Amino acid sequence: TQLLEQSPQFLSIQEGENLTVYCNSSSVFSSLQWYRQEPGEGPVLLVTVVTGGEVKKLKRLTFQFGDARKDSSLHITAAQPGDTGLYLCAGSDDKIIFGKGTRLHILP
Amino acid sequence: DTAVSQTPKYLVTQMGNDKSIKCEQNLGHDTMYWYKQDSKKFLKIMFSYNNKELIINETVPNRFSPKSPDKAHLNLHINSLELGDSAVYFCASSQWASGGPGTQYFGPGTRLLVL
Repeated sequence: TQLLEQSPQFLSIQEGENLTVYCNSSSVFSSLQWYRQEPGEGPVLLVTVVTGGEVKKLKRLTFQFGDARKDSSLHITAAQPGDTGLYLCAGSDDKIIFGKGTRLHILP
Repeated sequence: DTAVSQTPKYLVTQMGNDKSIKCEQNLGHDTMYWYKQDSKKFLKIMFSYNNKELIINETVPNRFSPKSPDKAHLNLHINSLELGDSAVYFCASSQWASGGPGTQYFGPGTRLLVL
């Protein structure tokens, strides 16, 4: 059974700090996606990474796909209260599976 | 224009009742999904339809029956509702690619509460 483990499950930090969220699996995926979900809404795609070792940047967010395409990380620089939300990673191969998410809370 | 829409947004019902949730997408995608998100926010896929054909059917009680009348619609009917069915149900769509399911576009969710 494919599993995606996300860590930490919860993270509460002060505005302006940096943080990293991890998504790990023992399975290889053809691509990996990161979504953000805000309360009362559905998840929204942030980025898709496809190539092992790939790094993508989205403003203050940096996403990296592991060389072996089994894991990924999301690094946020100078976190803002607007970054608060549930961050989900999803591995895609012949089907898609989601991690359990990291609940991020940025304190002003 | 709403890309993926679901109705109703909220559904409160008694145990044992039968209810349906409807989903429509106007993105022209060929694949639609139903997900269940529990109180701990774990998002788990239930069903997937590609061009109106069922392609993913996870371990879901047979009280849940999806129906896809056309590529733009995927409805979910639930018989004999149980307390444990209380959750948020998300519909999603994507364009299936060679690498797999592709980016998921989610609806706003249906919050089901079974009393």
